[in-house]
Amino acid sequence: AQTVTQSQPEMSVQEAETVTLSCTYDTSESDYYLFWYKQPPSRQMILVIRQEAYKQQNATENRFSVNFQKAAKSFSLKISDSQLGDAAMYFCAYRSGGGDDKIIFGKGTRLHILP
Amino acid sequence: NAGVMQNPRHLVRRRGQEARLRCSPMKGHSHVYWYRQLPEEGLKFMVYLQKENIIDESGMPKERFSAEFPKEGPSILRIQQVVRGDSAAYFCASSQIRGNTEAFFGQGTRLTVV
Repeated sequence: AQTVTQSQPEMSVQEAETVTLSCTYDTSESDYYLFWYKQPPSRQMILVIRQEAYKQQNATENRFSVNFQKAAKSFSLKISDSQLGDAAMYFCAYRSGGGDDKIIFGKGTRLHILP
Repeated sequence: NAGVMQNPRHLVRRRGQEARLRCSPMKGHSHVYWYRQLPEEGLKFMVYLQKENIIDESGMPKERFSAEFPKEGPSILRIQQVVRGDSAAYFCASSQIRGNTEAFFGQGTRLTVV
């Protein structure tokens, strides 16, 4: 069975600085998708960024980018120029490319932004 | 285009009562997923449904929990004879087709059992 591990329960970063959240996963599949979701205090799950496993190029969305290392099964999220609104729980998630469709989540990393 | 709609947002039930949680997927989405989130934890998969079909219920407790997604109307997660341990946030997500697209989440229903 696939698993997703986030080893950092909490992190803090100074406003305007850069922070990297770690995520590793375990799978025997070659076709899959990886996601980072943000959950602010409102509890709404917001998709931050997605990565298709077949793509070698790392995904980027404005200040958010990933470092996808397929061989190492690592999928870290980098947030540049951190803003107060980035404070939230961040969940790394895995989804199989076919067959088993459920999204599997890590336990999350709570990110604090220090003014 | 409305997003995934869940209601109620908050639900309080006494032990032994039934809880019904509703989820209307995004327009055009035919796949619905239910997740449970305990405080300070990630989301645990419960069940995956298509219209009139349960595709994967490997995360559902064997007793008291059931889910449906009828041809017409919202998906329903039903918890019978609730206990304090059922208190959690329940999230619904929907997607358009399997596999190659992200799921969009509702705002969740927070169930409190007193």
